Amino acid sequence: QSALTQPASVSGSPGQSITISCTGTSSDVGSYNIVSWYQQHPGKAPKLMIYEGSKRPSGVSNRFSGSKSGNTASLTISGLQAEDEGHYYCCSYAGDSTFVFGGGTKLTVL
Amino acid sequence: QVQLQESGPGLVKPSGTLSLTCAVSGDSVSSSMWWTWVRQPPGKGLEWIGEIYHSGSTNYNPSLKSRVTISVDKSKNQFSLKLSSVTAADTAVYYCARRIAVAGTVGFDAFDIWGQGTMVTVSS
Repeated sequence: QSALTQPASVSGSPGQSITISCTGTSSDVGSYNIVSWYQQHPGKAPKLMIYEGSKRPSGVSNRFSGSKSGNTASLTISGLQAEDEGHYYCCSYAGDSTFVFGGGTKLTVL
Repeated sequence: QVQLQESGPGLVKPSGTLSLTCAVSGDSVSSSMWWTWVRQPPGKGLEWIGEIYHSGSTNYNPSLKSRVTISVDKSKNQFSLKLSSVTAADTAVYYCARRIAVAGTVGFDAFDIWGQGTMVTVSS
C-alpha cells in the first residue's frame, strides 16, 4: 500500500482556478469511487472538502469540485481566494478495508 | 455538535507503547460510524492507522498491523489506540476521526469530524 501521488505544490492568483491531481493505481483510486479531499491549515486538523469523489459536505463552497479519470482523481478550486491557501490531501479506499492518503499538496495563493 | 478530543502522554520512550484515547461527545461510539486514527509526522503527510466499529470489528494499516491495537469503551463513549515497540519514526501528531458508514449519508466513507490532534514524541 503506497501513498497516492500528489504534486508537492501548486500556486495561483486570486480569482484563478487551480487543479490538484491525485494519482493512484487500479487497486485504489481506479477501482473505487471512494475518494475524499481534505484541506489543512497550519497547526489545524484536516477539514473534509469532497467525498465520494465529487460530493461536497454542507458548508463547503461550491468553488471546490472533484472528479476522477482512471487512476487519477482531481480537486479543482475556482475563483481562488486567499483563505484557500494551505495543504490539501486526497484519500482513497484501497481495498481490504483499508485507506490510503496522498502525500499532500501545498497551495499558495500569490 | 460532534466533538472528538485526544488525550495521552506526549512523550514515549523508544521500544515502549504509545497509548492514546479519543473522547467522543455529541455522538455515540455505538452509532453507525467507524472510529479512526490518523497520524502526521512533523512536516509530512497524513497516514491512516486504523479504525474500529462499535461491534469491535477493526481494520488496520498493513504496515502497522503487527504493532497496533484499537479498542472501544462504550461505557465511557471513547475509543483508544495502542502502538507498541515505538521508535522515533512514530513521532507524529495523532488525530482521531469519524468515518461515516451509512451509504447515502453526507460524508459517506470519508472522515468528516476530526479531533484537534495530539503531538506524541518518541525519545529517551
